[in-house]
Amino acid sequence: QKEVEQDPGPLSVPEGAIVSLNCTYSNSAFQYFMWYRQYSRKGPELLMYTYSSGNKEDGRFTAQVDKSSKYISLFIRDSQPSDSATYLCAFLSGGGADGLTFGKGTHLIIQP
Amino acid sequence: EAQVTQNPRYLITVTGKKLTVTCSQNMNHEYMSWYRQDPGLGLRQIYYSMNVEVTDKGDVPEGYKVSRKEKRNFPLILESPSPNQTSLYFCASPTAGQGNTYEQYFGPGTRLTVT
Repeated sequence: QKEVEQDPGPLSVPEGAIVSLNCTYSNSAFQYFMWYRQYSRKGPELLMYTYSSGNKEDGRFTAQVDKSSKYISLFIRDSQPSDSATYLCAFLSGGGADGLTFGKGTHLIIQP
Repeated sequence: EAQVTQNPRYLITVTGKKLTVTCSQNMNHEYMSWYRQDPGLGLRQIYYSMNVEVTDKGDVPEGYKVSRKEKRNFPLILESPSPNQTSLYFCASPTAGQGNTYEQYFGPGTRLTVT
């Protein structure tokens, strides 16, 4: 079983739609749960992070973590064409200096 | 402005010809790392460094070397590149400067093609 599972897409939705992006993971040691956004020909940039189960909201974005199910989600409300990018879930165990464990990324396309 | 810079941004080379990709950060951070990104495989850590003269292997270190002689620079060295090292490479440094943080600041990437 792979450590992180993320549907690569592409996911194409019309402007204004609610977008749901998801990842599942198997490593119980993960303590930090992140979503990175990567535009074409750019490096990833942190969009949101959470430390525990529950929801975290930032503007049009909501991150949700369910540690009991090992499942994280990112919701985008009122999606805009500028949201078109690849979204990567990422995880950190919190111990030592291990690097981030990334999902493969979901390519999102918002149609104007 | 906090920056991680990489050079070159694009590189085409031939099998066996040694090359170096440079990485520099202006944030005075101790921790730096290298990732490669491949379609269908995602981002994977190659090497990391917790401070000057302290480096360690990540998940996919085979075929790569690194050095950390000064805090700001962390070059990635391919002594004898092979076609399976064709990839997009990112240098990264946590924004807080420590290794155990969730926010990594990534450089712009280096697209390497080995023929």
